[in-house]
Amino acid sequence: NAGVMQNPRHLVRRRGQEARLRCSPMKGHSHVYWYRQLPEEGLKFMVYLQKENIIDESGMPKERFSAEFPKEGPSILRIQQVVRGDSAAYFCASSPTGGIGNTIYFGEGSWLTVV
Amino acid sequence: SQELEQSPQSLIVQEGKNLTINCTSSKTLYGLYWYKQKYGEGLIFLMMLQKGGEEKSHEKITAKLDEKKQQSSLHITASQPSHAGIYLCGADEGAQKLVFGQGTRLTINP
Repeated sequence: NAGVMQNPRHLVRRRGQEARLRCSPMKGHSHVYWYRQLPEEGLKFMVYLQKENIIDESGMPKERFSAEFPKEGPSILRIQQVVRGDSAAYFCASSPTGGIGNTIYFGEGSWLTVV
Repeated sequence: SQELEQSPQSLIVQEGKNLTINCTSSKTLYGLYWYKQKYGEGLIFLMMLQKGGEEKSHEKITAKLDEKKQQSSLHITASQPSHAGIYLCGADEGAQKLVFGQGTRLTINP
């Protein structure tokens, strides 16, 4: 039973380029969450999605960041015109439903380095 | 918004010793998650607690949520090198949006 799959694991981008991070939730999970872990900082919530819907994007930066979870395929976190401050580990998590009490499983993370 | 304070921030123990990590919340906890993270890797789910007074164990790790549901503790018995890592507590703010503590870095000396 595969866990939450993220790719790429490591990504290097030059300033101004675009970064696309992909996340396939666990089988049977229809709820996806993205978190960001900045160097020397804690893990921060970014966005919560269900299939074709953004439920809560209160943690997303207002510009350059977007997320989607299409009907088919993985969830994508897209960062346009990356800057050095975007360098971080981006984690995806999934759960079977959105209610309190469900186990939330995290992926291995995607490490973005902006040079 | 909810804030979680973990203590200690770092901990070095001799292999075989017991240890406890605490997680204190500024608000009532409705779902408290414990994860372990190794440097440069993902988060491994350990346990989730909901009810006041609830206690769960997995192998040599025990987690408890106090009756007032504002503090949780993680206890490791007879620590081993494989227990080394960063332990994170996360509180469910609703709709499974988690807010995390800053983490406790555990080092096990042989």
